[in-house]
Amino acid sequence: RKEVEQDPGPFNVPEGATVAFNCTYSNSASQSFFWYRQDCRKEPKLLMSVYSSGNEDGRFTAQLNRASQYISLLIRDSKLSDSATYLCVVNGYANAGKSTFGDGTTLTVKP
Amino acid sequence: IAGITQAPTSQILAAGRRMTLRCTQDMRHNAMYWYRQDLGLGLRLIHYSNTAGTTGKGEVPDGYSVSRANTDDFPLTLASAVPSQTSVYFCASSGLAGGTDTQYFGPGTRLTVL
Repeated sequence: RKEVEQDPGPFNVPEGATVAFNCTYSNSASQSFFWYRQDCRKEPKLLMSVYSSGNEDGRFTAQLNRASQYISLLIRDSKLSDSATYLCVVNGYANAGKSTFGDGTTLTVKP
Repeated sequence: IAGITQAPTSQILAAGRRMTLRCTQDMRHNAMYWYRQDLGLGLRLIHYSNTAGTTGKGEVPDGYSVSRANTDDFPLTLASAVPSQTSVYFCASSGLAGGTDTQYFGPGTRLTVL
């Protein structure tokens, strides 16, 4: 089993739709969680960190469920510009210095 | 402009040749990382450095070596390239070590080994 698993998609949604991605992790000692966005094999860029209490940034909401060991990303009112690959990243002190990336979920937003 | 630079942008290399990928950051970040990304897959950690003078092995270190002589530079060397090392290589840095901080990525080096 991979340390971090994501549904690869692709998710094809119309503009204005709400879409959610999940990411499961196997290391219960994991401490930090992030969502990154990657466009067309360019460099990944931080979308948002994921806090225990959940956090929201505009149309994006991230949540952490430690009991079930998954994080989620919700995108509301999808825009064409949201089309990208979304990477889940899990870090933990048990893996000092080692970040584990999921393989990514591809989202295509269509007019 | 603050950030991370990588060189070269792309390279075609004959198998068996030695190659060094360069990475420089000007953010005075303590930690630096090298990842490879194969088509359709996520990033896999090759080597990392929590601070100047120290390095560690990641998930896929075989065939690669790194050094961290100073804070800014973190070169990745392929001693004898093989076709399976064809990939996109990303360098990253973060202010805090341990992988718990935001990582900032360079633009990547696209390497083809023939």
